[in-house]
Amino acid sequence: NAGVMQNPRHLVRRRGQEARLRCSPMKGHSHVYWYRQLPEEGLKFMVYLQKENIIDESGMPKERFSAEFPKEGPSILRIQQVVRGDSAAYFCASSPPTSLPKETQYFGPGTRLLVL
Amino acid sequence: DQQVKQNSPSLSVQEGRISILNCDYTNSMFDYFLWYKKYPAEGPTFLISISSIKDKNEDGRFTVFLNKSAKHLSLHIVPSQPGDSAVYFCAASAMSGGSYIPTFGRGTSLIVHP
Repeated sequence: NAGVMQNPRHLVRRRGQEARLRCSPMKGHSHVYWYRQLPEEGLKFMVYLQKENIIDESGMPKERFSAEFPKEGPSILRIQQVVRGDSAAYFCASSPPTSLPKETQYFGPGTRLLVL
Repeated sequence: DQQVKQNSPSLSVQEGRISILNCDYTNSMFDYFLWYKKYPAEGPTFLISISSIKDKNEDGRFTVFLNKSAKHLSLHIVPSQPGDSAVYFCAASAMSGGSYIPTFGRGTSLIVHP
């Protein structure tokens, strides 16, 4: 059973470009979470999605950032017009659909975004 | 404002000895606490958790202690092994808007020397 998959593992963008980060949850999982880790910081929650629904986006910056989790395919975190401050590791996690709210989240290996 | 604090950025321990990683929190609404372990270039992996109705949870070499009155928890690793060298994140969660979203500390880097 494959774990949470994220691609690309490394992404380099110039300022002003768009970054698309993909996350495929574990098989059977329908809850997806995105986190960002800035250098020397802990993981900061960004958004929580279920299939076709955004459940909690309280951690998402108001501008340039968006996320989706379509009925088919991976979850996408999209950053428009990237700036240097967006450089970070972005982690995706998933949990099962029948989980209690406290169900353990399983993390992917992360995407390291570097904005030049 | 950090709601979950890991005040020691690093800890160095001799193999075979006890490692104690500490975590403090400020939000009294937190009722579920987790520890994650992270190796370089990998995502965090769940290690152990504890509910606020307990004060101790043990799993093999790992034990988590919770002191609710002090808003403090700790992770004990006994005996420590070189393979335990990693960054350990403390996380705390509470029901908010129908979901439990953990708040993470900044992590403590543990180095276990052979």
